[in-house]
Amino acid sequence: DAKTTQPTSMDCAEGRAANLPCNHSTISGNEYVYWYRQIHSQGPQYIIHGLKNNETNEMASLIITEDRKSSTLILPHATLRDTAVYYCIVRTRDTGRRALTFGSGTRLQVQP
Amino acid sequence: ETGVTQSPTHLIKTRGQQVTLRCSSQSGHNTVSWYQQALGQGPQFIFQYYREEENGRGNFPPRFSGLQFPNYSSELNVNALELDDSALYLCASSSGTSGGGDTQYFGPGTRLTVL
Repeated sequence: DAKTTQPTSMDCAEGRAANLPCNHSTISGNEYVYWYRQIHSQGPQYIIHGLKNNETNEMASLIITEDRKSSTLILPHATLRDTAVYYCIVRTRDTGRRALTFGSGTRLQVQP
Repeated sequence: ETGVTQSPTHLIKTRGQQVTLRCSSQSGHNTVSWYQQALGQGPQFIFQYYREEENGRGNFPPRFSGLQFPNYSSELNVNALELDDSALYLCASSSGTSGGGDTQYFGPGTRLTVL
């Protein structure tokens, strides 16, 4: 699976958009980009995933660059409850290897 | 629709003992994956079960073993506990479809402390 690089930490003001970047320069054509978040001591929560096109759901938007080497997760109006560690994961399609490989993630602190 | 549940929530064991952790998958899901998360680190893949068969394993010793039952619930067993086994154990279920679209949904985890 391709490796990902994320900033260690970020701050965001409550009510503003939080833009979390992720680099995955070695991503291959059949690998998806997944985002999860983990609020302190809870299980990771699925946010969104995509292959090539930008995606949006009720939680967030995912913007993937045309060359697919990087992506940005956007939380449009961050709240204090969005404070968490955010993981960007690139996932193979190989049927024998469906594990998620977590890196260190980005610790997002939403400030009041 | 019921999400992924895990039991117990917390557990304290002593070194050398054995432990069994349980996971009930989300309705309609036939695949269960187990992860170990040490303090301050990201989750690490232990193994995955698909339709009662092991379907992939991470870099964990054989004393970590598992089972999946016909109702797709699962158990993680750890023998000869070591201090380093202290961690949050996470279970995730998915529908097992092909194409990478089988999103994994996590339970709340079991916090294991080995003394």
